[in-house]
Amino acid sequence: DAGITQSPRHKVTETGTPVTLRCHQTENHRYMYWYRQDPGHGLRLIHYSYGVKDTDKGEVSDGYSVSRSKTEDFLLTLESATSSQTSVYFCAITSGGGAANVLTFGAGSRLTVL
Amino acid sequence: DAKTTQPTSMDCAEGRAANLPCNHSTISGNEYVYWYRQIHSQGPQYIIHGLKNNETNEMASLIITEDRKSSTLILPHATLRDTAVYYCIVRAPLFGNEKLTFGTGTRLTIIP
Repeated sequence: DAGITQSPRHKVTETGTPVTLRCHQTENHRYMYWYRQDPGHGLRLIHYSYGVKDTDKGEVSDGYSVSRSKTEDFLLTLESATSSQTSVYFCAITSGGGAANVLTFGAGSRLTVL
Repeated sequence: DAKTTQPTSMDCAEGRAANLPCNHSTISGNEYVYWYRQIHSQGPQYIIHGLKNNETNEMASLIITEDRKSSTLILPHATLRDTAVYYCIVRAPLFGNEKLTFGTGTRLTIIP
């Protein structure tokens, strides 16, 4: 999607290894989000950020940490990956401000933990 | 945020209008109805939103009942590319903190 990129797009790793997913935006939007998507669960919010160094937990934050040292980058880290974290991860951005404030999503990062 | 109920799946013939219902009987006065869709393996895409008046854009129309307890997303001339999962979301437009909750949506299949 225009203005938002995720990397890597695909990753296979082993249980217990650390993994970092990167979300990069060129829109200078204040708000950034990490979601995971699993069959039968829809999209679930992991963490979000409302500014540089300002982050908060979503509904499924256990086992994940995030960092935002620059407006354009929001990193999602799995300190010690587990098989239950096999999922597709989506980053989203929004500018903030009222009803017209809608999410723009990245293309997703597919993570497989063996 | 108000809870929404959508059918699990629907089929529609190509070229016909696809009407996707959403029930949100507990909607509050300041909550908007938003629709997103997700085409296979892609990120979700915003479609349309509304408060109480019917809305139309280049992608779809949104019809909200007068009591606001339900709504219908209309794709006027469905194409095969409209095959996707459609999510109906209800929430108040809090400034900035867009913690949208996505359910499992409706899987729409357009039949050739």
